[in-house]
Amino acid sequence: DAGVIQSPRHEVTEMGQEVTLRCKPISGHNSLFWYRQTMMRGLELLIYFNNNVPIDDSGMPEDRFSAKMPNASFSTLKIQPSEPRDSAVYFCASSSRQGGGYTFGSGTRLTVV
Amino acid sequence: DAKTTQPNSMESNEEEPVHLPCNHSTISGTDYIHWYRQLPSQGPEYVIHGLTSNVNNRMASLAIAEDRKSSTLILHRATLRDAAVYYCILRDGWGTYKYIFGTGTRLKVLA
Repeated sequence: DAGVIQSPRHEVTEMGQEVTLRCKPISGHNSLFWYRQTMMRGLELLIYFNNNVPIDDSGMPEDRFSAKMPNASFSTLKIQPSEPRDSAVYFCASSSRQGGGYTFGSGTRLTVV
Repeated sequence: DAKTTQPNSMESNEEEPVHLPCNHSTISGTDYIHWYRQLPSQGPEYVIHGLTSNVNNRMASLAIAEDRKSSTLILHRATLRDAAVYYCILRDGWGTYKYIFGTGTRLKVLA
């Protein structure tokens, strides 16, 4: 089991550019979560999917952020246009069952300059 | 969402037991108590979870108060590799599956 796979590990981009973060959940897991972590705000839940359907996107900060899950094995988080305040570590996590634990990926460290 | 309260930081000596407390006075009957830890430069890692009874696994033990308003994560012999931020989180077992992370407890282990 390769775990939750995120790519890229690091991304440096200029303000105004589009950024796409990718996540492959663990096979068989039916829930997927995107979190953002900063020193100031800690770990924030952005959006989560259940069976590929977005259930709660109330944590998505602005319309510049969008997330998709076209199938059970892939999800993207897109920021367009990116801003310096979007700099953070973005984590993807997946889960298989009600009440069970999450498995987190290693994260993508995004720096917008 | 039900909230938890944890001390900001704790220290322990290596190879001694560590008791990390968590208060969750607004817990509902269907909330599971989950613990995660985050090692430096890594994603959070699942440690243990429980509903009503005390739980043990290879990483730790979870002691849950009888009224479920508090719990304690027990590391039986702390090692330097246990230095991390430990998060106590409530997860609704029947409704939403999302975790809301608090600020956690930063555990420092002294050699």
